[in-house]
Amino acid sequence: DAGVTQSPTHLIKTRGQQVTLRCSPKSGHDTVSWYQQALGQGPQFIFQYYEEEERQRGNFPDRFSGHQFPNYSSELNVNALLLGDSALYLCASSLMGQGPYNEQFFGPGTRLTVL
Amino acid sequence: QQQVKQSPQSLIVQKGGISIINCAYENTAFDYFPWYQQFPGKGPALLIAIRPDVSEKKEGRFTISFNKSAKQFSLHIMDSQPGDSATYFCAASAHINDMRFGAGTRLTVKP
Repeated sequence: DAGVTQSPTHLIKTRGQQVTLRCSPKSGHDTVSWYQQALGQGPQFIFQYYEEEERQRGNFPDRFSGHQFPNYSSELNVNALLLGDSALYLCASSLMGQGPYNEQFFGPGTRLTVL
Repeated sequence: QQQVKQSPQSLIVQKGGISIINCAYENTAFDYFPWYQQFPGKGPALLIAIRPDVSEKKEGRFTISFNKSAKQFSLHIMDSQPGDSATYFCAASAHINDMRFGAGTRLTVKP
């Protein structure tokens, strides 16, 4: 049973560039959430996708956008990169309707460095 | 955005000892409280979770204690082992909404 996978593992970009990160959810899951984890901090919620639509969004600017495909995989796009965007970007998958609770499983993350 | 406060920031325990990490939350709508374990360079892994209809949940050496009236919950690691050395995050969510994480506790278990 494949868990959550993310690509690439590491990425280096310069300020002003754009980046796309990818996530494949755990088998059987249909919901993908994205988090940003700065060094030494807990993950911060960016947004969640279900049925190819953004359901919820955290306190992140419009430079952060996403997409979910019919196979439930997802992309996170960040435009006009800033130095402060350097972080570990985590994808978490879950199954909507499994119950009233939010059991999420995380991928290994993509380490983004902005120079 | 953070609505979950976690303490201590770091913890050093001797092998065989008990590790205790505490969290407090503000939003009374939270109804799911998981703990995640994260090793360097890895994503968080779900360790154990509790719902507010119970006061305690035990899985092996890991126990969550939950105090709904005080809006606090804690993780106890019994017989702590060097392999438990990692960063632990508490979290909370309301129904199926986004997960709010604490700032993390770096646990070091000395042999």
